[in-house]
Amino acid sequence: DIVMTQSPDSLAMSLGERATINCKSSHSILYTSKNKNYLAWYQQKPGQPPKLLIYWSSTRESGVPDRFSGSGSGTDFTLTISSLQAEDVAVYYCQQYYDFPTFGQGTKVEIK
Amino acid sequence: EVQLVDSGGGLVQPGGSLRLTCTASGFTFSSYAMNWVRQAPGKGLEWVSGISGNGYGTYYADSVKGRFTISRDNSKNTMYLQMNSLRAEDTAAYYCAKGTVISSSYYSSNMDVWGKGTTVTVSS
Repeated sequence: DIVMTQSPDSLAMSLGERATINCKSSHSILYTSKNKNYLAWYQQKPGQPPKLLIYWSSTRESGVPDRFSGSGSGTDFTLTISSLQAEDVAVYYCQQYYDFPTFGQGTKVEIK
Repeated sequence: EVQLVDSGGGLVQPGGSLRLTCTASGFTFSSYAMNWVRQAPGKGLEWVSGISGNGYGTYYADSVKGRFTISRDNSKNTMYLQMNSLRAEDTAAYYCAKGTVISSSYYSSNMDVWGKGTTVTVSS
């Protein structure tokens, strides 16, 4: 199995600040022949199912605000919220789909 | 509107069985692989099982292999998860989730549509 490890486990930022979440895979998830990283990011608010934010490591899902961006390649990836809003309080998960799906343990984002 | 409605959860004793159902609408159900993902109380997400668009390919996490069976009825736009020999550690919210690759085969993918979840509690 490909193990996904996120850091930090939680972070508290002030409104308007930049929030950065890291995700590391135990195996490269770059499909070199397609030059695509098989990584997605999800947002989960309390009592709700996960919501897809980003796929192919950096492609924003339709309707997702542009303050959310994804980057990285190979084994190291980042989700950035450029200007944290109150509605962004949630747990964020990375997921690889290079092999059968596995998720990171989640990062809880709160307002300081 | 693209929608998934999952149901069938409940309280069951250890060793018991339960069948979850996921009903889809708003998209060509048979064209997409489908998945079950679970979340234990206060914990993260765990992929449980996936099935190809044509239903012939089925895949399981090691934690449920031999106990759970995934299936689908494309004529009813419905997917199922038959859970047998349930254990306390199977207690979780179970979500059905749609894959994004258009194919009759199963391809691991990101998941763009999720049901609201159905809760399974295994306890005596």
